[in-house]
Amino acid sequence: NAGVTQTPKFQVLKTGQSMTLQCAQDMNHEYMSWYRQDPGMGLRLIHYSVGAGITDQGEVPNGYNVSRSTTEDFPLRLLSAAPSQTSVYFCASSYRSTNYEQYFGPGTRLTVT
Amino acid sequence: AQKITQTQPGMFVQEKEAVTLDCTYDTSDQSYGLFWYKQPSSGEMIFLIYQGSYDEQNATEGRYSLNFQKARKSANLVISASQLGDSAMYFCAMRKRKLTFGTGTRLQVTL
Repeated sequence: NAGVTQTPKFQVLKTGQSMTLQCAQDMNHEYMSWYRQDPGMGLRLIHYSVGAGITDQGEVPNGYNVSRSTTEDFPLRLLSAAPSQTSVYFCASSYRSTNYEQYFGPGTRLTVT
Repeated sequence: AQKITQTQPGMFVQEKEAVTLDCTYDTSDQSYGLFWYKQPSSGEMIFLIYQGSYDEQNATEGRYSLNFQKARKSANLVISASQLGDSAMYFCAMRKRKLTFGTGTRLQVTL
């Protein structure tokens, strides 16, 4: 199993550009989520999904869109990048919610200039 | 709303000593999960230990144990026999559908 994979590892965007961060898992996990990690703030939930076709907002959803057309993939779209979105982004998955650990991808370091 | 508080921004411990990292949480739910993750300087998130809110026994995983006190809403991580490789950020997290993280504690293990 590859586990949770994320692409790209690094990305630099200009303000106003859009892009999609890719996330895939091969563990047949129902639950997938996106977090951002800023210095001194831990990880904050952006969006999550409890299954294909079902998504919901987390703590900091503004400026981001998600969709879940398959169990395996959960892309995160930045609609119009802003410097405040400079962060490290982690994708995670788990079998189900609540009592199951989440497996994290290696992260994407995004810089918006 | 769920909230996790880690009050120790940084901790030092000598090699081979035990260390306790504090975590308190706030929730009105009865069923939830508590987790600890380690983040070394390389950046990946590594799962360490899990405690369910209905589990009566404290969780243990090798050198890691979770001191769960439900009435106090605390879930402290105890690392026994610290090693240099334990130097990292440690995050406490709580899960009820969504996973909420604390701000983390940076642990430095010294010789």
